[in-house]
Amino acid sequence: GAVVSQHPSWVICKSGTSVKIECRSLDFQATTMFWYRQFPKQSLMLMATSNEGSKATYEQGVEKDKFLINHASLTLSTLTVTSAHPEDSSFYICSAPPARAGDTQYFGPGTRLTVL
Amino acid sequence: SQQGEEDPQALSIQEGENATMNCSYKTSINNLQWYRQNSGRGLVHLILIRSNEREKHSGRLRVTLDTSKKSSSLLITASRAADTASYFCATDAGGYNKLIFGAGTRLAVHP
Repeated sequence: GAVVSQHPSWVICKSGTSVKIECRSLDFQATTMFWYRQFPKQSLMLMATSNEGSKATYEQGVEKDKFLINHASLTLSTLTVTSAHPEDSSFYICSAPPARAGDTQYFGPGTRLTVL
Repeated sequence: SQQGEEDPQALSIQEGENATMNCSYKTSINNLQWYRQNSGRGLVHLILIRSNEREKHSGRLRVTLDTSKKSSSLLITASRAADTASYFCATDAGGYNKLIFGAGTRLAVHP
């Protein structure tokens, strides 16, 4: 089946630095990818939709200048957390939509970000 | 709120017992999915049920869907300690393949 990878799987950074998270579709092309955030013991919240060749669309309440999304190619989307702060510490998960409408999505394994 | 609701928030049972988790959502859907997440790990897809289906089985899992009540349930029969995880429902109510997740149920199965 389709595989989505994320890199890194975990990252620890100092407050004020920027962190880039990669999401790759390994054996298929994805013109769209989704980015979710999950705080400890909470559910997944959709942050934004990454679109290849155009700007990302952000969900209400998500700061687009803080969470920069770039869909560089049909197999790669990146999320950059700029000027990270401890409250940005979270589990970030990407997904790609199914090839056929109504099927399940392909989720990446997630990236654990800890900001000190 | 973006999320649907799940209950219970937490469930603690003994091995061998059945576990039932419920999910409610707010808008019309094409399908509803259930996922499992072990602590600190990624999502594992369990079952997808379409809006024209009422019940679906997969091994020890049974999912029901009542679109008139906008609710679904996940039943795990003969639970095992390895079933300990968080369980989330997700609907395509977000449109354009976006998934809206429920708040989740944390299941603890004790040996």
